[in-house]
Parts: sequence; structure tokens; C-alpha cells
Amino acid sequence: DTGVSQNPRHKITKRGQNVTFRCDPISEHNRLYWYRQTLGQGPEFLTYFQNEAQLEKSRLLSDRFSAERPKGSFSTLEIQRTEQGDSAMYLCASSFWGVPRTSGGVSYEQYFGPGTRLTVT
Amino acid sequence: KQEVTQIPAALSVPEGENLVLNCSFTDSAIYNLQWFRQDPGKGLTSLLLIQSSQREQTSGRLNASLDKSSGRSTLYIAASQPGDSATYLCAVGRSNQAGTALIFGKGTTLSVSS
Repeated sequence: DTGVSQNPRHKITKRGQNVTFRCDPISEHNRLYWYRQTLGQGPEFLTYFQNEAQLEKSRLLSDRFSAERPKGSFSTLEIQRTEQGDSAMYLCASSFWGVPRTSGGVSYEQYFGPGTRLTVT
Repeated sequence: KQEVTQIPAALSVPEGENLVLNCSFTDSAIYNLQWFRQDPGKGLTSLLLIQSSQREQTSGRLNASLDKSSGRSTLYIAASQPGDSATYLCAVGRSNQAGTALIFGKGTTLSVSS
């Protein structure tokens, strides 16, 4: 399967604990995005990377959140000192950005993974 | 600040009906617009992407249109089936920063009964 993968799929943790999620993008994609989705809402942007560089962080990304993409491939999202308000689905997406090697334009279409459901008790 | 609104929030139809889902956005300066499908507890599946220079895109029974000047997009589903039951999300990309954050609506939850 060459789609975006995320692990774990579900995580239950107690308030105050640290958690880390992993995202593996589509292999030829150089951009990677993190979003958060709460019940009944659309996904909200958290941050994105181009290769290993973190280019933008949303104001939603408090200082308890940190994301990395150390080798420009997979990414991790860590939440420290979890709070009940952190309970949500964390979604990862990837896209290609740049000049295409083949004919045709670049759509910057984002492809999403299955998400990690976090429950903080 | 860009805001995306989807109407209706929920829709129930009998199998076989044609239906239209609506999406509106406040800032017409968008790079592209994507329609996604989300099944309960699952991730997002991209259905159609329309570039800002395009008017519509089609895939099978789905047709998405874009009217950038009025800030509107519609997703038309022909001959609906129970398997189409899901939440449909609309998202826009910023024009001055192509390939960056998508801004989503809250979605329309569709239920198709057999």
C-alpha cells in the first residue's frame, strides 16, 4: 500500500502523560501536514513541513505540542502533559510541491492517512 | 480570515435520488478546492480537486463545480446509493501560498436509505 499511514490508530492515555504519533507519507511527497479534528468539526490545520523544514505552525499548536520530520520522510507529533481537551482525531496528509518531472501541472492535492484517535482520560 | 461553510449540515435521501451539497467560502482568493469523503471514525478520502482556474471536475457519479467570484462550490451526486452515506467535507487552499494549509468546512452528513 503506497498511501499515507499513521500509527497508532488509537491511543488512550491519562491526563498529564506524554504521547507521540507517527506519520509515514506517500514516498514521493515532500510536504507533510498535521491536522486535528474534534467531533462534529472539520479538520483544523496544525503545522506542515517541506522535507525536514517546519514551514508553518498554527496558533493551535501550543508549546505542549512539538512536531518533527528529521530526515524529510516520516514525521512525529508529540503532545506533552496531555489534557482532556487534547482528545481528538489527529490526521496527517502529504502532497508533492515543486516543478513536476513529467508533463502536467502540480495540483498540490493533499492525501490523508487514517488518523490517530486520541482519548485523554 | 477565510471561512468555509457547508449547507446543509445533514441530509437524508432515498436511494436513487440526485443530490447537491453546497460549500461557500468568504475569500475568493483561493488556489484550489478539494472535496473529501469521511466515513465514521476514519480518515479523509479525496474525491475531487478543482484548481482556481477550472469551473468543474467530474469523477464517475460525482461532479464538482466552482464559482470563485461568488465564493461557491457544489458537489453533485447522481443516482445516490447507500454506500454514499458518509460525511462530505469541502476545503480550500490559500492562493498566495499554494500547497499549504487547507481550510475546511464542518461537513455535510449524508444518509442514503435503501
